[in-house]
Amino acid sequence: NAGVMQNPRHLVRRRGQEARLRCSPMKGHSHVYWYRQLPEEGLKFMVYLQKENIIDESGMPKERFSAEFPKEGPSILRIQQVVRGDSAAYFCASSTGFLSYNEQFFGPGTRLTVL
Amino acid sequence: AQTVTQSQPEMSVQEAETVTLSCTYDTSESDYYLFWYKQPPSRQMILVIRQEAYKQQNATENRFSVNFQKAAKSFSLKISDSQLGDAAMYFCAYRSPSDSNYQLIWGAGTKLIIKP
Repeated sequence: NAGVMQNPRHLVRRRGQEARLRCSPMKGHSHVYWYRQLPEEGLKFMVYLQKENIIDESGMPKERFSAEFPKEGPSILRIQQVVRGDSAAYFCASSTGFLSYNEQFFGPGTRLTVL
Repeated sequence: AQTVTQSQPEMSVQEAETVTLSCTYDTSESDYYLFWYKQPPSRQMILVIRQEAYKQQNATENRFSVNFQKAAKSFSLKISDSQLGDAAMYFCAYRSPSDSNYQLIWGAGTKLIIKP
């Protein structure tokens, strides 16, 4: 059973460009979480999605950031008009359910560098 | 709001020896979940061990064990017989028991160095 897949692993963008980060959850998982890790820090929750629904986006900046998890295909985290402060590692996790005992399995992350 | 604190930015240990990484947290909830994750240079986040707060017995996974002190809100990780492959960042994380609170709350991490 393949784990959580994220691509690309590394992404370089110039200021003002758009970044698209993809996450394919584990087979059988319909719950996806996005976290951001700034250098020398722990992960910070951004958004939680189920298929076709955003359940909790309380950790995601209101501007420039958006996320989706369509019925078919991977979850996408989109950052428009990137700035240097967006440089970070972005991790996706998936689970079988939202209950507190459902373990979140993490992907390898996408490291975004904004020049 | 819950917080997680890891006060050791970096720890080093001789191969085959034992090391303890500390973690404290703050919460007003009586039941919750605590985790230790390992992040090697590949950056993949790997679950090492998990503890349910309602369980008094400390969790153990092979060479990894925890010392869970609920009253002190302390959750330390002990790694016995340290191996070179244990070198990584280690993160402590907290999750509320509330099913409507999905996020993991993370500490800043401890970098573990293994000396051969």
